[in-house]
Amino acid sequence: GAGVSQSPSNKVTEKGKDVELRCDPISGHTALYWYRQSLGQGLEFLIYFQGNSAPDKSGLPSDRFSAERTGGSVSTLTIQRTQQEDSAVYLCASSLVTFNYGYTFGSGTRLTVV
Amino acid sequence: AQTVTQSQPEMSVQEAETVTLSCTYDTSESDYYLFWYKQPPSRQMILVIRQEAYKQQNATENRFSVNFQKAAKSFSLKISDSQLGDAAMYFCAYRPGTQGGSEKLVFGKGMKLTVNP
Repeated sequence: GAGVSQSPSNKVTEKGKDVELRCDPISGHTALYWYRQSLGQGLEFLIYFQGNSAPDKSGLPSDRFSAERTGGSVSTLTIQRTQQEDSAVYLCASSLVTFNYGYTFGSGTRLTVV
Repeated sequence: AQTVTQSQPEMSVQEAETVTLSCTYDTSESDYYLFWYKQPPSRQMILVIRQEAYKQQNATENRFSVNFQKAAKSFSLKISDSQLGDAAMYFCAYRPGTQGGSEKLVFGKGMKLTVNP
C-alpha cells in the first residue's frame, strides 16, 4: 500500500479483555516496529521485526504483550488481560533496511481500557 | 544506552517568525543518524528532516534546517517563516549507524509547538 495502515483507529475495551491491534506496512519494507505513546510521553519501543530474523522483543513491558508478523508483512500486536495502564496510542512503523532512513509511521491505534 | 533529551516541553511562535527547538543526545557511537519528526493531531508521525553524523554540513529542507553540533551532542531544529500548519508535537530521534547493532529509533519526550496568528 501507499502508507502504513493500522486498525482499528480507536479501541475501547474492558479491563481484563484481550485486544488485537493490526499493522499493514508499506510493501517492500522489511523492517516493522511497534511503539507505545502514553499521554504526554515520548515513544516507547515495544518490538522490532526484520525479515526472517528473530524479533527484538526487548521493549515489551510484560508477558501480557506479544506480537507476530505473518509472511513478512502484516503484524498483529496482542495485549492479553488488559489493564488501565495499557491505555495509550500504539504506533506502528516500517522502514527499508538502510540506516539513514527514518521510519514511515501509521496513524496509530488509540486504546482505552475502562 | 542512548538517550535523547528535549528540555523544553512547550514553545510558541508568531506566524512568519523563526523558532528553534532544542535537542541533546547521549551516545558513545561515532556513526549514527538524527531525525526530527512532527506529530500533528492526526497522530501520524511525519519525518521533517534527517542528519547523518558523518556529514559536517547541516541538513536543510525548505523552511526547516538543523544546527548539528557533534562534539556538543546537540541537534536543534530551526523553523523559518513559521506557518499555522507547523503547530504540532515535535520529536527528536536518534538511530545508531551500521555498527550500533540496533535499528531502533530512540525518541525524546517531544515538544509542543504553538503558532500564533
